[in-house]
Amino acid sequence: QLVLTQSPSASASLGASVKLTCTLSSGHSSYAIAWHQQQPEKGPRYLMKLNSDGSHSKGDVIPDRFSGSSSGAERYLTISSLQSDDEADYYCQTWGTGIQVFGGGTKLTVL
Amino acid sequence: EVQMVESGGGLVQPGGSLRLSCAASGFTLSSYSMNWVRQAPGKGLEWVSCISSSSSIYYADSVKGRFTISRDNAKNSLYLQMNSLRVEDTAMYYCARLYDLWGQGTLVTVSS
Repeated sequence: QLVLTQSPSASASLGASVKLTCTLSSGHSSYAIAWHQQQPEKGPRYLMKLNSDGSHSKGDVIPDRFSGSSSGAERYLTISSLQSDDEADYYCQTWGTGIQVFGGGTKLTVL
Repeated sequence: EVQMVESGGGLVQPGGSLRLSCAASGFTLSSYSMNWVRQAPGKGLEWVSCISSSSSIYYADSVKGRFTISRDNAKNSLYLQMNSLRVEDTAMYYCARLYDLWGQGTLVTVSS
């Protein structure tokens, strides 16, 4: 079964960096994912597509502070030079034939 | 500008029906796999349904048999017909282009 697992919460200080993790279920480590940001009271915004080899393609006007990487079944989103408006929920998403799956989301708090 | 705009949400009683629309601009909707995704209040994102560029259709188990996805290529629009609505269908409904573009959402409230 295709499942994505995310930690429910994360926190980091203003100006620091944070690395969020999304883990693919067993047998699905080759899958690409997408990362999305959802700021409070707003709809989701596409950040990037992240492949199993770590290559990624970002959405329009996504700052260089946002980057992605991969290791095995883990997919990472790193946000550097944290700003107050990075405080948001971050979701990973993957897809297969006839199915789309979302992780439970990570709530990022910027201290 | 590349965008999608949803409409059609509202308040409906349990057992009722609603039809959501998603109007696309700046791209040809039929060239992409298009999805409906919902988010219940205070909860995460939940995939609802997908129509592929080749018109294959898929549903989440929670809506199978009650919801119908379709598209009108001439109007460059995506639809979600929702029947036999339940309280637990209450959510913001988003249309999404595969994984890289989201609409702003339309709110569906199912309540007596």
